[in-house]
Amino acid sequence: DTEVTQTPKHLVMGMTNKKSLKCEQHMGHRAMYWYKQKAKKPPELMFVYSYEKLSINESVPSRFSPECPNSSLLNLHLHALQPEDSALYLCASSQGGLAMGEQFFGPGTRLTVL
Amino acid sequence: QQQVKQSPQSLIVQKGGISIINCAYENTAFDYFPWYQQFPGKGPALLIAIRPDVSEKKEGRFTISFNKSAKQFSLHIMDSQPGDSATYFCAAPAARDNYGQNFVFGPGTRLSVLP
Repeated sequence: DTEVTQTPKHLVMGMTNKKSLKCEQHMGHRAMYWYKQKAKKPPELMFVYSYEKLSINESVPSRFSPECPNSSLLNLHLHALQPEDSALYLCASSQGGLAMGEQFFGPGTRLTVL
Repeated sequence: QQQVKQSPQSLIVQKGGISIINCAYENTAFDYFPWYQQFPGKGPALLIAIRPDVSEKKEGRFTISFNKSAKQFSLHIMDSQPGDSATYFCAAPAARDNYGQNFVFGPGTRLSVLP
């Protein structure tokens, strides 16, 4: 199984809502990532978890809160978002450790903030 | 912070032609350079990657050429097909600690292959 799954596929939320994005992989990977991608732009790294510990936070506003409950799951909790946060949110995973290698991306969650 | 430059921004090629996309990076202590392919509405997928103990890697119609001294690498797509129409991102390793690893992506190239 070389698949990263993400739910939901689409999400529309108001600025006062609280919602969560979910990501799952069963490849035994120990590094997991959240990226944000705006239209016609490259993915921008938000967070990196390595061995279930947050290792990189790219100065992301606190209205985005990541969580890694176990080595297979990654969540992104959303609260009080702004319309400019509308984007495709991508989850990825990789083997982790010292060797650089392939990151496997999920299909993304298309988020619209009204 | 690593920066990656990519050109051209967009590319139109006739079916059967050669598509060439170039990337340049600034600094890296790590040697793994991937190319990702992204179709509309999908996540990026690894197309081909190179570890620069070699200067070239070929997989089917796709070839990476790597020039370590110039800090440049390029993607060549031979016999381009309409199904290759997508956005292509190069990436280079960014700063990494002992616990995480991440890439910086180039701005992307939108390839259109005309039938």
